[in-house]
Amino acid sequence: KNEVEQSPQNLTAQEGEFITINCSYSVGISALHWLQQHPGGGIVSLFMLSSGKKKHGRLIATINIQEKHSSLHITASHPRDSAVYICAVERDGGSQGNLIFGKGTKLSVKP
Amino acid sequence: NAGVMQNPRHLVRRRGQEARLRCSPMKGHSHVYWYRQLPEEGLKFMVYLQKENIIDESGMPKERFSAEFPKEGPSILRIQQVVRGDSAAYFCASSPPGGPGGELFFGEGSRLTVL
Repeated sequence: KNEVEQSPQNLTAQEGEFITINCSYSVGISALHWLQQHPGGGIVSLFMLSSGKKKHGRLIATINIQEKHSSLHITASHPRDSAVYICAVERDGGSQGNLIFGKGTKLSVKP
Repeated sequence: NAGVMQNPRHLVRRRGQEARLRCSPMKGHSHVYWYRQLPEEGLKFMVYLQKENIIDESGMPKERFSAEFPKEGPSILRIQQVVRGDSAAYFCASSPPGGPGGELFFGEGSRLTVL
């Protein structure tokens, strides 16, 4: 079993829909990252969080440390949100940047 | 303020040749990280460097791979005697000084193809 599991693997939505991507992990962590990767493109860091909730524009990330679970929400989804969303954790006691990555959730938003 | 710059963006090598990938961190960032993304697989941590120091190389393959971050100039990931299995996207990230849990800034990646 992977230490970081994401669901769903693939997600298709209609423009305007509310989207949720889930991430569960099995190790103690110091931080959790949500990343975005467009096809053939680079990686953009969306959020880094260790507790609670963060919001940036239409994106919201939450984390529940006790349940070892995080969610990424996209409100009013748009075709430009189509990308792979990756959850990654920094293991507690590990070195900075030594991330364990999930396999990603491929999101496709149809107009 | 330029972001993390990686070059080349695309590199083609024949088996047995050497590949050198360069990463210039964001201005003011002294920490550099390298990650590898194999085709159809997830990202994997390779190495964490500070200026002139390797801090964590637990993800580096034992042979043929090396990384450096000299006092002056970019960080370099070097792959000697490349094999087809080295074909992948290699991403660099940087962060300012600070402890674990800091925000990372990623580059566009270097895509290595080994013929």
